[in-house]
Amino acid sequence: KAGVTQTPRYLIKTRGQQVTLSCSPISGHRSVSWYQQTPGQGLQFLFEYFSETQRNKGNFPGRFSGRQFSNSRSEMNVSTLELGDSALYLCASSEVGTGYEQYFGPGTRLTVT
Amino acid sequence: GQQLNQSPQSMFIQEGEDVSMNCTSSSIFNTWLWYKQDPGEGPVLLIALYKAGELTSNGRLTAQFGITRKDSFLNISASIPSDVGIYFCAGLMKTSYDKVIFGPGTSLSVIP
Repeated sequence: KAGVTQTPRYLIKTRGQQVTLSCSPISGHRSVSWYQQTPGQGLQFLFEYFSETQRNKGNFPGRFSGRQFSNSRSEMNVSTLELGDSALYLCASSEVGTGYEQYFGPGTRLTVT
Repeated sequence: GQQLNQSPQSMFIQEGEDVSMNCTSSSIFNTWLWYKQDPGEGPVLLIALYKAGELTSNGRLTAQFGITRKDSFLNISASIPSDVGIYFCAGLMKTSYDKVIFGPGTSLSVIP
């Protein structure tokens, strides 16, 4: 089976702009979770989607949003970018859900200038 | 809030040595997961533990789910250069929803 894919791999945006990141899960996986990874804060859970519904949400501001499509592909959006949003954004898919056997994609490295 | 502590924060070992690292918390978890992350890549699942006291192996890796459900341990035997990376533990707690928390990671360097 193909692994989790994320696009784009690298992105440079300017403060105030918005960005959309995409994740294609492993075939058959219905759960997609998003994480933000920074050197200072480590891996922080953003949200999880299961069968097109947001099931869990972490402690991030409303500028961070996501959605999942009927084919389980997911997108996350960050509006009004801030410098502190620079991070590696990781997507993970699972058959069951967050915290179970999740498989991570390579991540999207977002730099906000 | 809930937090996971990992120790050591970093380690430098000689190739062939055994490695031990652990993950502790003041909270009880239902599942423990161990991941390894190479530079520029996403974490890769190494071992999943679902029951207190469970001991599971994956090749040279062995992990245990602590009896108190507040800790977990990972051992790597006979380390090799490709073991280099950051090892994360993650705990899942079941509240009104599944909540997963990641530890800060243990950075492992192997000296050939």
